[in-house]
Amino acid sequence: AQSVTQLGSHVSVSEGALVLLRCNYSSSVPPYLFWYVQYPNQGLQLLLKYTTGATLVKGINGFEAEFKKSETSFHLTKPSAHMSDAAEYFCAVSQMEYGNKLVFGAGTILRVKS
Amino acid sequence: NAGVTQTPKFQVLKTGQSMTLQCAQDMNHNSMYWYRQDPGMGLRLIYYSASEGTTDKGEVPNGYNVSRLNKREFSLRLESAAPSQTSVYFCASSAQTSAQPQHFGDGTRLSIL
Repeated sequence: AQSVTQLGSHVSVSEGALVLLRCNYSSSVPPYLFWYVQYPNQGLQLLLKYTTGATLVKGINGFEAEFKKSETSFHLTKPSAHMSDAAEYFCAVSQMEYGNKLVFGAGTILRVKS
Repeated sequence: NAGVTQTPKFQVLKTGQSMTLQCAQDMNHNSMYWYRQDPGMGLRLIYYSASEGTTDKGEVPNGYNVSRLNKREFSLRLESAAPSQTSVYFCASSAQTSAQPQHFGDGTRLSIL
């Protein structure tokens, strides 16, 4: 079965610093990969997704993620953190063989310090 | 600019009571989903509806039933609530049939005492 591991339930960065949120997946075939963001008391918003093609994917709000098959990783980065980036971030994987159902990681709460 | 609307936003139930969570989307989306979110576990799929008139079980369907009333509405029912069903419930939708959810509601926070 597919699964997603997000390393670090909490990450803290200073405003202006690099944001790196880690995600590793297990899959026997190349999956579709997603990052979602959840602001307090709101639902999830899709940040970006990888299906096929270019392994570096750009999303909204300056975030990007790189699919690395050899490392089974899909880490989320942003060069310069902003206070408004404080939220919880979820990595998710889906596979056609499982009806495209999403499997979510446990989430990483990002704190941005001024 | 409604998107996906869930009602109610908060609810407290006693063990054994029943309740229906309502969800409606105004984007003419084909697929709709119900997830539950628990601390440290991410979101888990309860049920989904790939298109109007169809529903299928997700990862954690036990204790729940759903109805896809029409293309807009997808309700989730707890027939006999249990404390283990205390959670935040999210409804979501996607334009394409069986695609990944694109839009989420703001959630229903449900406590079972």
